[in-house]
Amino acid sequence: DTAVSQTPKYLVTQMGNDKSIKCEQNLGHDTMYWYKQDSKKFLKIMFSYNNKELIINETVPNRFSPKSPDKAHLNLHINSLELGDSAVYFCASSRSGGEQFFGPGTRLTVL
Amino acid sequence: QKEVEQNSGPLSVPEGAIASLNCTYSDRGSQSFFWYRQYSGKSPELIMFIYSNGDKEDGRFTAQLNKASQYVSLLIRDSQPSDSATYLCAVTNAGGTSYGKLTFGQGTILTVHP
Repeated sequence: DTAVSQTPKYLVTQMGNDKSIKCEQNLGHDTMYWYKQDSKKFLKIMFSYNNKELIINETVPNRFSPKSPDKAHLNLHINSLELGDSAVYFCASSRSGGEQFFGPGTRLTVL
Repeated sequence: QKEVEQNSGPLSVPEGAIASLNCTYSDRGSQSFFWYRQYSGKSPELIMFIYSNGDKEDGRFTAQLNKASQYVSLLIRDSQPSDSATYLCAVTNAGGTSYGKLTFGQGTILTVHP
């Protein structure tokens, strides 16, 4: 199936741990994004990569580090997890700055 | 002032009625406007986009854009219970450092009751 996929779907971990979320798209898009949706359902962009180059880096703690090994993949590594990092993280992709298509989300719970 | 503002609702309409969802935005440089639907526990799903002033129709959905008033709306005709979801308005000022950055409103919860 053509889609944006993310792993894992659920992630439960202790404060202070380091974790990664992976995203892959097979839509042939050249731009990928990470969004965070908080408990109030507000969706906010964190990062964007175009052709493996970081183009959007919002005010995000440097504990969050994205990595794009190629145009089809964008991973998110989070160090020293905090309670406030609990949220749903969505990956999205688009062709250049066009319509964005979202992955299924990763629900991160920090205990 | 929020960059993209929506009435959080909930908006309740009877089945078969027209649901009207509204959104205002603050950046006059905004060029592209999107409506996403998000069911509880699911990811946002793109249902409409509009770039030019006026109306754009797709099936039961009509998006309306008025750049002078910085206003975009979504009409859903013949509303069905399956339309019950949160509707997210998003805008982007493509180009430069804002390339592809979508700014979302807080969403409007729509409930269509039988």
